[in-house]
Amino acid sequence: EVQLVESGGGLVQPGGSLRLSCAASGFSFGSYWMTWVRQAPGKGLEWVANIKQDGSEKYYVDSVKGRFTISRDNAKSSLYLQMNSLRVEDTAVYYCASGSGCYTWGQGSLVTVSS
Amino acid sequence: DVVMAQTPLSLSVTPGQPASISCKTSQSLLHSDGKTYLYWYLQKPGQSPQLLIYEVSSRFSGVPDRFSGSGSGTDFTLKISRVEAEDVGVYYCMQGLHLPRTFGQGTKLEIK
Repeated sequence: EVQLVESGGGLVQPGGSLRLSCAASGFSFGSYWMTWVRQAPGKGLEWVANIKQDGSEKYYVDSVKGRFTISRDNAKSSLYLQMNSLRVEDTAVYYCASGSGCYTWGQGSLVTVSS
Repeated sequence: DVVMAQTPLSLSVTPGQPASISCKTSQSLLHSDGKTYLYWYLQKPGQSPQLLIYEVSSRFSGVPDRFSGSGSGTDFTLKISRVEAEDVGVYYCMQGLHLPRTFGQGTKLEIK
């Protein structure tokens, strides 16, 4: 069974940092692009970033460029999102998803940016 | 960025009746490889989104055949042939061709 499990969310002050992790199982992790998508409370879905199978290509939505970094460790079947200089508007549930087309999704990890 | 315009934003359907959601995009989603990268997702209440349809019309594993997708270029439709109670939630389209990827606003389906 394909499974994605996010962790690392929590409450952080504006300007702070967090690192999200996504542990994958049940599929050949290293063969797929991986994606982060977020959802602010009561709002729709927003694509955040994705990363190629070997990590050689990474793309971001403009609002997080220069602040967030997506990475992966294929040996550990894990995806990461390093989030720096966090803003109140980054408050959201962050989902990892398999594939460039978001074929399967994790349960999400809540990030709250507040003073 | 590619704008994804979903309509309607909400609909109320009697069980057993059909439903249809439109997604219009500001740019073509046809790739040079011949594929069109348009996806449909359903987010049931309190759950993560789940993929229903990929590349316009291909049903994802385990998706009932009452769900179907159609369209081309910039104009796409998700149809549910006979709505069931378990179909409630918010439906999103997403384009997978241009960066950044973008989602529609979402269409909330409720049962009458």
